[in-house]
Amino acid sequence: QSVLTQPPSVSAAPGQKVTVSCSGSSSNIGNNYVSWYQQLPGTAPKLLIYENNKRPSGIPDRFSGSKSGTSATLGITGLQTGDEADYYCGTWDSSLSAVVFGGGTKLTVL
Amino acid sequence: QVQLVQSGAEVKKPGASVKVSCKASGYTFTTYVIHWVRQAPGQSLEWMGWINAGDGNPKYSQKFQGRVSITRDTSANTAYMELSSLTSEDTAVYYCARSLPYGDIDYWGQGTLVTVSS
Repeated sequence: QSVLTQPPSVSAAPGQKVTVSCSGSSSNIGNNYVSWYQQLPGTAPKLLIYENNKRPSGIPDRFSGSKSGTSATLGITGLQTGDEADYYCGTWDSSLSAVVFGGGTKLTVL
Repeated sequence: QVQLVQSGAEVKKPGASVKVSCKASGYTFTTYVIHWVRQAPGQSLEWMGWINAGDGNPKYSQKFQGRVSITRDTSANTAYMELSSLTSEDTAVYYCARSLPYGDIDYWGQGTLVTVSS
């Protein structure tokens, strides 16, 4: 059971938009930065969003992040088949003194 | 460019220990923290701990306290994770990753598969 809660799966058609939610508490998301990772099948995770809404160099602006209270959201627009992957949110938990991750969300581009 | 290159796959028997290495390049090793995160088959990511590569101070997840040891060798720009008393539930891909102290993880190693089987 992960500390952060994500939907197990989301899906949308190519070209459409999808959002992935990540719910936590005041000890983690509520008072710390959230990051998002993309994990393509059989590969290591890759940073998509850091500090809630910033994109590393090379990440297209189709990917966006936001945070409100104890929840965070990853948005992906202009969906492509290459976006099919597992997406994870992560943050620091001040009560656990640990990095925590969500359970992951599998994106299917229909 | 930043690279974290991990050692190869391991097969261990229950009760044994495993030590995985993570060689860093492309940045100043001692400025960053090296994390260890594992992923069991079909499961999510699980943080095990980190080491401050600058002062060598480790921090462990309570779940693994007493069973994991994270060290580093600054002369080799390499971090190590040793996990003892292995059981089948430790079968997973183990990743190293880096961040600034208390910052977001930005780069990951390629992963090392550890299989525990009798």
